[in-house]
Amino acid sequence: GENVEQHPSTLSVQEGDSAVIKCTYSDSASNYFPWYKQELGKGPQLIIDIRSNVGEKKDQRIAVTLNKTAKHFSLHITETQPEDSAVYFCAASKYGGATNKLIFGTGTLLAVQP
Amino acid sequence: AAGVIQSPRHLIKEKRETATLKCYPIPRHDTVYWYQQGPGQDPQFLISFYEKMQSDKGSIPDRFSAQQFSDYHSELNMSSLELGDSALYFCASSRWDREYNEQFFGPGTRLTVL
Repeated sequence: GENVEQHPSTLSVQEGDSAVIKCTYSDSASNYFPWYKQELGKGPQLIIDIRSNVGEKKDQRIAVTLNKTAKHFSLHITETQPEDSAVYFCAASKYGGATNKLIFGTGTLLAVQP
Repeated sequence: AAGVIQSPRHLIKEKRETATLKCYPIPRHDTVYWYQQGPGQDPQFLISFYEKMQSDKGSIPDRFSAQQFSDYHSELNMSSLELGDSALYFCASSRWDREYNEQFFGPGTRLTVL
């Protein structure tokens, strides 16, 4: 069935360093890949997304890349700050029909050390 | 900007009781999704509605039911509660006419079954 693998499960970086989180999806029909940031006790917050017709997208310190052939996509955070500390989830979905449920990765706990 | 509203935020129930969770989508959003997130886990898709009709169904127990009303709010009804139902329940909303319809999550309802 549909599956999204996410690595690493935990990531600790020094403030100012970069952080990279990688995901792999199984369903080649997936065409939309959002990333969510979840702080403790809160709902997932959409931070960036990428469509299957785009290879890279950047928004200030955050960038996402997509390799459709390898079915890989990655989140890159540069100049990390303590407030970036949270759990990050990648997700994949297929646009079509009346809905596009999200299949989530298992999450990455990012800790930014001041 | 208006966000997804969920109520109640916290709910404590005994085994075999029933619970009703409510979700109010972002204004002008016509699609609602329900996800369940266990401790330390990723959100799992339960069910979705588009224009008041069920549009997709995931791993939702038969003890659970849901509906979307004419004002687009949705309710998740849970009966014969079990200890394993303790989790965070998130509602997300999207607008069908936006390409790839990004999903925006509410703050969640924390259900504890004793």
